[in-house]
Amino acid sequence: QVQLQESGPGLVKPSETLSLTCTVSGGSFSNYYWSWIRQPPGKGLEYIGYIYYSGSANYNPSLESRVTISADTSKNQSSLKLSSVTAADTAVYYCARAGIAGPPPVWGLGTTVTVSS
Amino acid sequence: EIVMTQSPATLSVSPGERATLSCRASQSVSSNLAWYQQKPGQPPRLLIYGASTRATGIPARFSGSGSGTEFTLTISRLQSEDFAVYSCQQYNNWPWTFGQGTKVEI
Repeated sequence: QVQLQESGPGLVKPSETLSLTCTVSGGSFSNYYWSWIRQPPGKGLEYIGYIYYSGSANYNPSLESRVTISADTSKNQSSLKLSSVTAADTAVYYCARAGIAGPPPVWGLGTTVTVSS
Repeated sequence: EIVMTQSPATLSVSPGERATLSCRASQSVSSNLAWYQQKPGQPPRLLIYGASTRATGIPARFSGSGSGTEFTLTISRLQSEDFAVYSCQQYNNWPWTFGQGTKVEI
């Protein structure tokens, strides 16, 4: 049974870069789309972007200037980098997997990132 | 970007009753509409995609309908484990966007 595990610092200072990794176990990394989605406290979900395992990425235009999503098939990992963070980037960050460029049926448990000095 | 509006914000129902949740898109999303269930402290769970197709393992009491800009999620007979927040998501136009959610409570 495939499992996704997000990992990374839970606290990031304003203006710094948020870096998270999604590690896949119990399933294939190839031939899937890997999404990053976030949820600010008490708010709705927001798509950050997604990447096909081979490296073609799509970013939310509202974040595109600050976001990089990558895929490493040798490590079964997807990574998210978000630069110049502010308090508005405080959220639970999820990674998710889909077989098509559509709604993902498989999600990680999420990791909470707080932006604060 | 396409704005997804869900109503009502909160729906109070009793176990065994039917719940009807609405989702409206600011422009047509064809049938590229998904529904998720989310409980506190848990990730979203995909219920419906393609507006009306149940995801793997989703009970038949969950059904979706609609196309274009108007969509409905119906839970035919609410069970205790169904009390949660339900969100719709369009994946017709990038960036894909979610509604703000409907909380189904007792």
